[in-house]
Amino acid sequence: QKEVEQNSGPLSVPEGAIASLNCTYSDRGSQSFFWYRQYSGKSPELIMFIYSNGDKEDGRFTAQLNKASQYVSLLIRDSQPSDSATYLCAVNITGNRDDKIIFGKGTRLHILP
Amino acid sequence: EAQVTQNPRYLITVTGKKLTVTCSQNMNHEYMSWYRQDPGLGLRQIYYSMNVEVTDKGDVPEGYKVSRKEKRNFPLILESPSPNQTSLYFCASSLTKYDGANYGYTFGSGTRLTVV
Repeated sequence: QKEVEQNSGPLSVPEGAIASLNCTYSDRGSQSFFWYRQYSGKSPELIMFIYSNGDKEDGRFTAQLNKASQYVSLLIRDSQPSDSATYLCAVNITGNRDDKIIFGKGTRLHILP
Repeated sequence: EAQVTQNPRYLITVTGKKLTVTCSQNMNHEYMSWYRQDPGLGLRQIYYSMNVEVTDKGDVPEGYKVSRKEKRNFPLILESPSPNQTSLYFCASSLTKYDGANYGYTFGSGTRLTVV
């Protein structure tokens, strides 16, 4: 069973600090990696996607991918109370006719004012 | 406005009564998928479709059917719903590159289904 693992949290971070969210995945053939944010009672929304090893920055968000270690992370700089949400890591698993996108169970992030 | 539209938002039904949840996207996306979200279990993929007339099982397909007759529509069918299918359901669509890489989902607003 191919898996995506995240720490469920809650992760509490002071306002203005850097929040660091981590995710590991089991399938070495995975090619695309995603971070979604989900507010309570709402649908997930895409924050970042990354395909290549290294860092990808978009505003206050940085996604980091290390395929050798099967590890993807999300950094949120200058955390704001509005960043309080559940963050979902997702991995696109392809091969042998499969083209699934599997989600981790999410990490709850709480930004302390 | 680019969006994925699901209907209905809320549905209460009885065991065994066939139902369909509709999903439509206006972004010309090739890839569409259905997920269910349950507390402690996260989002689990039910079925997905890489293009018209192409559908495949996700991780939890039992008790569900789908069809993809047109690019924009991807309905989820429960032929004989049971209480263990009570859940929050999301439809999602995404653009895929020529090499199969996925750009990430746009999700619908969700359908909260209760089967009694």
